[in-house]
Formats: sequence, structure tokens, C-alpha cells
Amino acid sequence: NAGVTQTPKFQVLKTGQSMTLQCAQDMNHNSMYWYRQDPGMGLRLIYYSASEGTTDKGEVPNGYNVSRLNKREFSLRLESAAPSQTSVYFCASRRQGPGTEAFFGQGTRLTVV
Amino acid sequence: AQKITQTQPGMFVQEKEAVTLDCTYDTSDPSYGLFWYKQPSSGEMIFLIYQGSYDQQNATEGRYSLNFQKARKSANLVISASQLGDSAMYFCAMREGNFGGAQKLVFGQGTRLTINP
Repeated sequence: NAGVTQTPKFQVLKTGQSMTLQCAQDMNHNSMYWYRQDPGMGLRLIYYSASEGTTDKGEVPNGYNVSRLNKREFSLRLESAAPSQTSVYFCASRRQGPGTEAFFGQGTRLTVV
Repeated sequence: AQKITQTQPGMFVQEKEAVTLDCTYDTSDPSYGLFWYKQPSSGEMIFLIYQGSYDQQNATEGRYSLNFQKARKSANLVISASQLGDSAMYFCAMREGNFGGAQKLVFGQGTRLTINP
């Protein structure tokens, strides 16, 4: 029972490079989320998606793009990485409904030098 | 504007004592939900407890209970009989939005709880 799987677990990028963080869930959830966690800042919502083909901006969307090509997968792309994007990135999914909790991936630790 | 506020950056509690972690929220949506998560030093996010805005009773899950005061917009987590394994970051989160559409889930800044033996 995999749950939410994020790849890669660790990544070092040079300033200006691009990369895509992958996230897949096998729980048939409609909603998916991308967060970043900086030390002492809690989790900040980057983008979220209610269903395949739909995405919405969260609290800190600048510098990121997302893609929800199907129900299982929700990817996060950094087009031109900056040191300010050094963070731990979490993907989460949840079923639509009032009391349904979010399930999280193990996180991707990204360093931009 | 901050939607979820956790005013205690850190708390230190003696083992076996009860502890209350504060959370206040801000929303104009009549239908919302409040969650608490635990993040140990290993980094994973562990769901603890949920309270819906229309729930009449405070939620409880084992040693965890939620002190929900709707008029004051607060949803404090109470951990009874704390254990060394309770040492972790604790996050309060709020779900807003229509059930048929996109539902935002936003988090507070967290409280680092340390249980002393």
C-alpha cells in the first residue's frame, strides 16, 4: 500500500536550472496539494487541484507551475530555480468530503545553490 | 492575512502532564474543517484529529481531544498524559471550500513540543 509517492527524495540544483517534482497517489483521491516547508515557517500551500485538469493557486505560487494530467499524478515544476526555493516539498492527497484527512508523501529536500 | 495562527513557537512539558496547543483561525466560509497533524523529527506528517464546523461535540481520539470554541474561532489540541514520544512539531490546518469543488487546505506555522522526563 504505497499511498503518496514523491520522487526524487533529494535534489541539488544550480540557480537557473529547471526540474519537475513528481507525485503519485494510489488511493483514488480527487484532491491533491503541493506544499513547501521552510524552517520555522510551517507548510505553505503552493498549488492544489480538485480533479484531473484543474489547478488553483495557493499561498505561494510564484516561481512554480503544476500539472494534473490524470487523477493519480500531480507534478510541480520549477522553471528557473532560485536559492529562495531551497526547501522541503510535500505532496498530499485527500478524498473530497468534510472529515477526510490529507495523506502526505515523504517529502523532497531541494537545495538550490 | 494569516488564516491559521499558532502563537506558541515552542512548549516544554513534563512527562505525564497534560498540554494544550493553541490554534486560532480566520474564515468567512460557514463550512470548514480543522485538522491537527504531528510531525516527528523523521519528517513524516501524521494525522491526529479532525473537527468539522458543524460538529456539535468536541472531537476526541485516544489521548487527543480538540477544544473547539467556534465563536472565538479557536481549535486547541489537548494531549492528556503526555509521553516522551509526543515530542514533535504540531500543526493546525483548516479546510475551506465547497465539497463539489476545490478545497483549500492551509496550515499554521506549528508548535514544537518537547516532553521532558
